[in-house]
Amino acid sequence: ETGVTQSPTHLIKTRGQQVTLRCSSQSGHNTVSWYQQALGQGPQFIFQYYREEENGRGNFPPRFSGLQFPNYSSELNVNALELDDSALYLCASSLYRTGALYEQYFGPGTRLTVT
Amino acid sequence: LAKTTQPISMDSYEGQEVNITCSHNNIATNDYITWYQQFPSQGPRFIIQGYKTKVTNEVASLFIPADRKSSTLSLPRVSLSDTAVYYCLVGDMRSGYSTLTFGKGTMLLVSP
Repeated sequence: ETGVTQSPTHLIKTRGQQVTLRCSSQSGHNTVSWYQQALGQGPQFIFQYYREEENGRGNFPPRFSGLQFPNYSSELNVNALELDDSALYLCASSLYRTGALYEQYFGPGTRLTVT
Repeated sequence: LAKTTQPISMDSYEGQEVNITCSHNNIATNDYITWYQQFPSQGPRFIIQGYKTKVTNEVASLFIPADRKSSTLSLPRVSLSDTAVYYCLVGDMRSGYSTLTFGKGTMLLVSP
């Protein structure tokens, strides 16, 4: 069973640029969530995708967008990067089944630095 | 989503039992209590989850009183590798739209 993987591991971008982060879900999982974790803080929910549709969104502006593909992998896109976007971006996958408990499995994250 | 309160940090020594308590006064009927562990520059890792009374697995125990307004994560005989941030989360883990709301967590430092 393959765990959640993310790429790239680290990334340095300049303010105003655009970035795409990628996530491969754990085998058999159908839901993916993205989180932003600033230094010293807990992860903050960005959005969740289920069956290729956005299933919920946290308090993040529209310049944060995402995609989920038929193989359940996902992308997080951030436009017009700001210095405050510097953070660890975490992807978490889970298997949603009606009525069943589920837990989220996190990837190692992508460290984004905006200069 | 129910808000949680937990200590910012705790110190312990190798071999000791560590109990981290989390307060969640506004927990809803459908909410479960879940604990995650996070090492620096890694994603959080699921530790344990429960609804009421006591849950035990190979890593930890979770104690939940009858009123469910608090919970205690118990780590038996900690080692240096248990040094990490521990997050307590409360939410409906059966919902089709269920996200995890993290607080700042408890930084556990285990010393020799």
